[in-house]
Amino acid sequence: GAGVSQSPRYKVAKRGQDVALRCDPISGHVSLFWYQQALGQGPEFLTYFQNEAQLDKSGLPSDRFFAERPEGSVSTLKIQRTQQEDSAVYLCASSEYRGGYEQYFGPGTRLTVT
Amino acid sequence: QKEVEQNSGPLSVPEGAIASLNCTYSDRGSQSFFWYRQYSGKSPELIMSIYSNGDKEDGRFTAQLNKASQYVSLLIRDSQPSDSATYLCAVNKAGSSNTGKLIFGQGTTLQVKP
Repeated sequence: GAGVSQSPRYKVAKRGQDVALRCDPISGHVSLFWYQQALGQGPEFLTYFQNEAQLDKSGLPSDRFFAERPEGSVSTLKIQRTQQEDSAVYLCASSEYRGGYEQYFGPGTRLTVT
Repeated sequence: QKEVEQNSGPLSVPEGAIASLNCTYSDRGSQSFFWYRQYSGKSPELIMSIYSNGDKEDGRFTAQLNKASQYVSLLIRDSQPSDSATYLCAVNKAGSSNTGKLIFGQGTTLQVKP
C-alpha cells in the first residue's frame, strides 16, 4: 500500500523566506509526527497530532515554526522567516494508533536556507 | 547524559558474521523500543519493535530488551553488505505515552565487508 509521502523533496529558501512542507500520512493513521534531522544525528521530535488535534508541540524550536492538520489527514509544517539554522531534513511519520506504537516515516524534505 | 545513547561506530564486521548493536536509555519508565535502519540519504525504515523484556526475533534480526539495565540491542545474523547502514535506536518517552513521541539515539554506522 501507499506509504507516507512528503513534498517537496528538496527546498532551497533564502534567509527570511517562509516555507511550507507537506505530509500525506498512510491512509487511516490516527497519529502524525514531525521530526527534524540534522546531518549525522538522529531525528528530533517537533510536534504530534492525534487526528486534527495538536497534542504536543514541545519540540518546535521557536514561534517561527507552525504545524497544522485541519482535517485529520494531510499536515503542513510552516516555517516563517527561515534562518540558516533551520537547514535540515524534515521527516513526517504516521502511526495507526495513538500512543507508543510503530511509526512509519516518509522520505523527508531537505531544506537548505541560503 | 543523553536520553538515548549509541556508539556512533563505525562497527565493521565481515560478511556472514553477527553484528551486535547496542543502545542504553535513561528514562526508566520508557515502554516502547524501536530499531530503525537508515541508508545514506534516505529516511529511517522501521525494522524491529519490542515492548517487553527478552528477545524478539524476525528473520535475521533479533531485538533484546532488558528494562532493569535500561538496555536494548539488535543482533543481525549472517550480515550482508546490503545491511551496511546507520541503525537508529528509538525509545518512546515515558510520560508522553499518550503521544508516542520518540527519542532517538545518534545512530550506529554498520559496515559489512565482503
